[in-house]
Amino acid sequence: GAGVSQSPRYKVAKRGQDVALRCDPISGHVSLFWYQQALGQGPEFLTYFQNEAQLDKSGLPSDRFFAERPEGSVSTLKIQRTQQEDSAVYLCASSSKTGTWDTEAFFGQGTRLTVV
Amino acid sequence: GESVGLHLPTLSVQEGDNSIINCAYSNSASDYFIWYKQESGKGPQFIIDIRSNMDKRQGQRVTVLLNKTVKHLSLQIAATQPGDSAVYFCAENPGSGGYNKLIFGAGTRLAVHP
Repeated sequence: GAGVSQSPRYKVAKRGQDVALRCDPISGHVSLFWYQQALGQGPEFLTYFQNEAQLDKSGLPSDRFFAERPEGSVSTLKIQRTQQEDSAVYLCASSSKTGTWDTEAFFGQGTRLTVV
Repeated sequence: GESVGLHLPTLSVQEGDNSIINCAYSNSASDYFIWYKQESGKGPQFIIDIRSNMDKRQGQRVTVLLNKTVKHLSLQIAATQPGDSAVYFCAENPGSGGYNKLIFGAGTRLAVHP
């Protein structure tokens, strides 16, 4: 596809359950990002990959959050033992690079996670 | 579908009028700024960007102004249309790592009335 694709579109999890959210970036994009967007707020940075390397995970809120991009393309954000405060929209974005700098970031539609 | 920006400040304009959305950013070291549009149930969509060595940049029907002295960014939309109705976010990139580690503002809802 032409854009960033995320699945599932919606996810309802019982508190304590583990979830896995998938992101298919734009083909050839080196950089991949995960953001968390709470209702009524702007997105907040979670983590960054350059190819398969996770270079920045400073935004991950706890050690229950884990992200991977093993082959430098598809990425998975995993949340273990989900809590109600994890309820949010999880956005994935990807960028290409010009030299050492990213070009504009393209966002997917997001996965809305509701923890009940 | 889900709603974005349930309790955001709202700017209401008449179709055809010009809109100005303002944003204050936080980090004086930020060197790259972007405006995003987000419609309900969708991810943010890039509108226009500007680097810190510029104070104005124009696109199609949109203009971004940057005032580094007071750390202020604005988005001007000319001849606003109903399709412009959405939540608008400014974002800054304070990083020196060359990647889009963006800090988003709180957002403004733009409501365009026919």
